[in-house]
Amino acid sequence: GAVVSQHPSWVICKSGTSVKIECRSLDFQATTMFWYRQFPKQSLMLMATSNEGSKATYEQGVEKDKFLINHASLTLSTLTVTSAHPEDSSFYICSARVGGQYNEQFFGPGTRLTVL
Amino acid sequence: GESVGLHLPTLSVQEGDNSIINCAYSNSASDYFIWYKQESGKGPQFIIDIRSNMDKRQGQRVTVLLNKTVKHLSLQIAATQPGDSAVYFCAENIFENGNKLVFGAGTILRVKS
Repeated sequence: GAVVSQHPSWVICKSGTSVKIECRSLDFQATTMFWYRQFPKQSLMLMATSNEGSKATYEQGVEKDKFLINHASLTLSTLTVTSAHPEDSSFYICSARVGGQYNEQFFGPGTRLTVL
Repeated sequence: GESVGLHLPTLSVQEGDNSIINCAYSNSASDYFIWYKQESGKGPQFIIDIRSNMDKRQGQRVTVLLNKTVKHLSLQIAATQPGDSAVYFCAENIFENGNKLVFGAGTILRVKS
């Protein structure tokens, strides 16, 4: 099956620093990648949709200058949390989709971000 | 609209019993639905999907039922096992909304041995 990896799996950083999270599709090319955030005991909330070579589309309420997304290739998307604060501590999950309407999204294992 | 999960209901079942997890979705334009299983500290894992032109689909030990009239989706797990313990999410895909998934609130399934 299709595999999506994330790196790092967890990160602890000081308030004010920036953190980059990588999402890779290992055995397929993803036309679209998605970034989600999940707080404890809550559901996944879509942050943004990114297509290779174009700007990401952010969901309402998500600050694009704070959560920088780069989708440089069909197998790699990165999410950078800039000037992280404790309220940004969360579980960040990416997913990748090959094609259109009924194509399954394959999810990564998630990255636990803790901002001190 | 977006579904926001603030409280996760819990379903406790005895090992070997059947489980039924329910989900109410929000948008009548949703055309594709997926059930995911999420274990603690991991990403969601695909279980089964169903398109809006179907009302039932069966997999191995799992069945998904779709009732578009009342916008309701259910996941049935036969002969529930301890390894089924996890959080289960339904997700709806809205093609006209940029083909994005919107996740439901989630249900915790606890299997008692």
